[in-house]
Amino acid sequence: DSGVTQTPKHLITATGQRVTLRCSPRSGDLSVYWYQQSLDQGLQFLIQYYNGEERAKGNILERFSAQQFPDLHSELNLSSLELGDSALYFCASSAGGLTDTQYFGPGTRLTVL
Amino acid sequence: GENVEQHPSTLSVQEGDSAVIKCTYSDSASNYFPWYKQELGKGPQLIIDIRSNVGEKKDQRIAVTLNKTAKHFSLHITETQPEDSAVYFCAASRSGSARQLTFGSGTQLTVLP
Repeated sequence: DSGVTQTPKHLITATGQRVTLRCSPRSGDLSVYWYQQSLDQGLQFLIQYYNGEERAKGNILERFSAQQFPDLHSELNLSSLELGDSALYFCASSAGGLTDTQYFGPGTRLTVL
Repeated sequence: GENVEQHPSTLSVQEGDSAVIKCTYSDSASNYFPWYKQELGKGPQLIIDIRSNVGEKKDQRIAVTLNKTAKHFSLHITETQPEDSAVYFCAASRSGSARQLTFGSGTQLTVLP
């Protein structure tokens, strides 16, 4: 158990809908990363937050957004969902600062029908 | 941006034999190289990592080597066991305020009893 929690485990929804994925980092970790894992694209970085502020953006679609709250949990919002958004979404956390080590949560499996 | 290539994509070994997985990276500024193990239905689990100021690191049956000049790093698993069967990912990141990981495409390791 990495100490990173993600909810829900599974999410099934329809095209055009909007969903919110939630992540709680390990106790004391300030940095949260979101990654998408799909069969064709592999594991890809989406976005990073550090202590409430956006730190870096990767291949994140404009339909996707995220935020990190004062209690350091993070939410990834996916809107106008398309079939191709079906994937595993992972959250990882690290202490931040000069620390690189990222610990991954169990993921949320999103299925868009 | 960074590009990480990983080989082989599948690897089958007999129990007790060694397994080697190789990765190359493109960004000479990358200085942190973790390896993750992902079992079916779970999130990536960090198994070992190495920083660019070190050439080799070992942890029991697992070792990682880094050749900065050639920009490649390898994972070595000795005395393999059936529970080592999983998908292994290499990754790279650079120092700075944003430390997102760029992943290789993964290696499905199967240890045959």
